[in-house]
Amino acid sequence: ETGVTQSPTHLIKTRGQQVTLRCSSQSGHNTVSWYQQALGQGPQFIFQYYREEENGRGNFPPRFSGLQFPNYSSELNVNALELDDSALYLCASSLGGGMGTEAFFGQGTRLTVV
Amino acid sequence: QQQVKQSPQSLIVQKGGIPIINCAYENTAFDYFPWYQQFPGKGPALLIAIRPDVSEKKEGRFTISFNKSAKQFSLHIMDSQPGDSATYFCAASGGSGNTGKLIFGQGTTLQVKP
Repeated sequence: ETGVTQSPTHLIKTRGQQVTLRCSSQSGHNTVSWYQQALGQGPQFIFQYYREEENGRGNFPPRFSGLQFPNYSSELNVNALELDDSALYLCASSLGGGMGTEAFFGQGTRLTVV
Repeated sequence: QQQVKQSPQSLIVQKGGIPIINCAYENTAFDYFPWYQQFPGKGPALLIAIRPDVSEKKEGRFTISFNKSAKQFSLHIMDSQPGDSATYFCAASGGSGNTGKLIFGQGTTLQVKP
């Protein structure tokens, strides 16, 4: 088991609502990346936070936003939820901006939008 | 250029067999190639990773073979066990401005029969 924890583990929201997912990084890690994993697919990169700044973003609309706190924990916020946002959201913790270093994943948050 | 193509999509082997999963990439700037194992309802767990300066890396029963000229790499699982039944993902990262973003393959579902 990694030291990366995510909350909540499951969540059901209605289309149009907003959701906040949380991630605590592994001790000593200063970089958090968020991924979206649709059923039967590989994870897709959403964005990364390094030392409280966004440090790269994938092909996701602005309604996906995030934060990183001084203790390196992180939040993923999704506004105006759509049915296609239903997925497993994964947080990965790493060191030093993530460049070619080991990334450890949490257990994920399963979001269902109805 | 950013894709990682993984095959086969699914694989069934008998206990003790050696399943082989293959991945191919296009972006020659990639310089870090990890493999992850994912069980249902869990986040991906890092198994083993390789950099392009070596052609093979072994950790326990898991071996990565890397062919830089062909832009391909593969995972071999020696003496496979029923407990190895899971979904396996290859990934790649690297290049200018990459920030350690992992590009994942589509995944291979492995079943090891007793």
